[in-house]
Amino acid sequence: QVQLVQSGPEVRKPGASVKVSCKTSGFRFSNFGVSWVRQAPGQGLEWLGWISAKTGTTNYPQNFQARITMTTDTSTATAYMELRGLSSDDTAVYYCTRASYDLPMDFYAYWGQGTLVSISA
Amino acid sequence: DIQMTQSPSSLSASVGDRVTISCRASQNIRGHLNWYQQTPGNAPKLLVSDASSLQTGVPSRFSGRGSGTDFTLTISSLQPEDFATYYCQQSYSTPLTFGPGTRVDV
Repeated sequence: QVQLVQSGPEVRKPGASVKVSCKTSGFRFSNFGVSWVRQAPGQGLEWLGWISAKTGTTNYPQNFQARITMTTDTSTATAYMELRGLSSDDTAVYYCTRASYDLPMDFYAYWGQGTLVSISA
Repeated sequence: DIQMTQSPSSLSASVGDRVTISCRASQNIRGHLNWYQQTPGNAPKLLVSDASSLQTGVPSRFSGRGSGTDFTLTISSLQPEDFATYYCQQSYSTPLTFGPGTRVDV
């Protein structure tokens, strides 16, 4: 069955960076894209961007473009999301989620369990 | 960017009630609208894709309809496990955007 297993919780200081991993199984990784979505405490869902596992092509919203990088490792079927220049506004649960094909404009049926990233001085 | 709005932001209902949640897009997104259910501490769960396609395993009491800019999610007879927050999401163009959510509680 399709599984996405994310790395554990992280605590960072303002200005630091964080890298979250998302190890997948149960499907051919290179056939799909992966999006990242975050949810601040008590808030809604925010799309952080998408990466093609086949080509490495990325699609980031403009407001994250300067400080986010998504990568994949096809040898381990793992996706990564790195966010730099952290502030308290970045405190959130970060989810990886798999598209149904290899384009970002899609619905997302498979989600990781979420990774809590806390930013505190 | 396409803005998504939902109404109501919250509602109180009882088991057995018929519940309808509305979602509106700031521009025509054709049928590229998806609905998710989220319970506290859990990842969102996809219920309906492309406005009206019920996902495998989702109870038939859930239904979605709409096109263009106006969409609805209906729960025909609310069950105890349906008390949750519901989000719409447009997949017409990037950046993908979500509605602010509708909380359904007792």
